[in-house]
Amino acid sequence: ETGVTQTPRHLVMGMTNKKSLKCEQHLGHNAMYWYKQSAKKPLELMFVYNFKEQTENNSVPSRFSPECPNSSHLFLHLHTLQPEDSALYLCASLGLAGPSYNEQFFGPGTRLTVL
Amino acid sequence: KQEVTQIPAALSVPEGENLVLNCSFTDSAIYNLQWFRQDPGKGLTSLLLIQSSQREQTSGRLNASLDKSSGRSTLYIAASQPGDSATYLCAVMRKLTFGKGITLSVRP
Repeated sequence: ETGVTQTPRHLVMGMTNKKSLKCEQHLGHNAMYWYKQSAKKPLELMFVYNFKEQTENNSVPSRFSPECPNSSHLFLHLHTLQPEDSALYLCASLGLAGPSYNEQFFGPGTRLTVL
Repeated sequence: KQEVTQIPAALSVPEGENLVLNCSFTDSAIYNLQWFRQDPGKGLTSLLLIQSSQREQTSGRLNASLDKSSGRSTLYIAASQPGDSATYLCAVMRKLTFGKGITLSVRP
């Protein structure tokens, strides 16, 4: 596997379910991000992790809970979501050194539908 | 607060045409600017990254320029092809901010 991978690619869940999104990067980067992309809106930055520490939380509701156990893995735990949370959730990693300094690389996204 | 604007929201051109996509930002104190391509329902693919100290970057038929003082970047696509049809987004980094993107359709 190369680059940034995300699983699952598609997820349908009810409002009472608990699920998790997974992101893995194979680029040796030390910063990872969660974004939400809704139709007709710009990408919304949700969380930023640098060296496994959360450095940014853009006023995201507590029903979204991120976890970064190491520099290569990032999770987004979901519980009691609302239908308006349906969106494409994108993970990105960023190089903090070398030729790809400050260049973001994105995963393919998870298409989430909340019923 | 940084704001990134991409106008127009959509563009349709005939195959073979050279075209320019524009991106403007309000705060010139940026680390870099990155152009992405996004196909429907997919993630973002990095096209070009311009560091704040650079004026332009080139990759194949793509050329991106950066003018920090005026808060503008342009993505130039030479000899457009139907396979170039996608949404093109620009993003600036200091406080990561994306534009809404320009949806390009290249007609055969």
